[in-house]
Amino acid sequence: DAKTTQPNSMESNEEEPVHLPCNHSTISGTDYIHWYRQLPSQGPEYVIHGLTSNVNNRMASLAIAEDRKSSTLILHRATLRDAAVYYCIPYQGAQKLVFGQGTRLTINP
Amino acid sequence: NAGVTQTPKFQVLKTGQSMTLQCAQDMNHEYMSWYRQDPGMGLRLIHYSVGAGITDQGEVPNGYNVSRSTTEDFPLRLLSAAPSQTSVYFCASSYSPGRANYGYTFGSGTRLTVV
Repeated sequence: DAKTTQPNSMESNEEEPVHLPCNHSTISGTDYIHWYRQLPSQGPEYVIHGLTSNVNNRMASLAIAEDRKSSTLILHRATLRDAAVYYCIPYQGAQKLVFGQGTRLTINP
Repeated sequence: NAGVTQTPKFQVLKTGQSMTLQCAQDMNHEYMSWYRQDPGMGLRLIHYSVGAGITDQGEVPNGYNVSRSTTEDFPLRLLSAAPSQTSVYFCASSYSPGRANYGYTFGSGTRLTVV
């Protein structure tokens, strides 16, 4: 399984952009990069995924390095509701969605 | 459309008791999984299924059994509960096979305490 490295915690202010980094230097060439988040006392929630190109959806943007060894989840305008643990997961398919420790994001009002 | 429904939400068991955690989804998803999350930790995969009649082990399968007789249901059985199985259990389901996938939907969890 590909290993990921994420900061244990990050802090940002409400209405400011947030960039959450993830290193996955051992990722396979065919693994997609998935991001999930887990709000307090809830189950994880899918955020976004991508392979090589940058991706956007209503929740966030995903910027993937050209060598695919790292990626950055971008929350364009953080709200208090975005306070959560964010997980970066190289997904191998076959149900192998393996969670690491993630980054705990705190949003200050 | 209820998504992934887990019951019960809370349960207290005595050591040695058995029980079944229920998981049901109404999205016609082929893939279903069970995870446990210990306090302050990430999720760990217990068992998973890629369709009715097909199950396989994840990272931490010992002490748990699963079966998948229908597409909708994926129950998790604790054979003889131990304090080490105190955890929050999440069930998840997904439609798209392969690496692309379009996201897993998670239930709200079952908080289990074994005393």
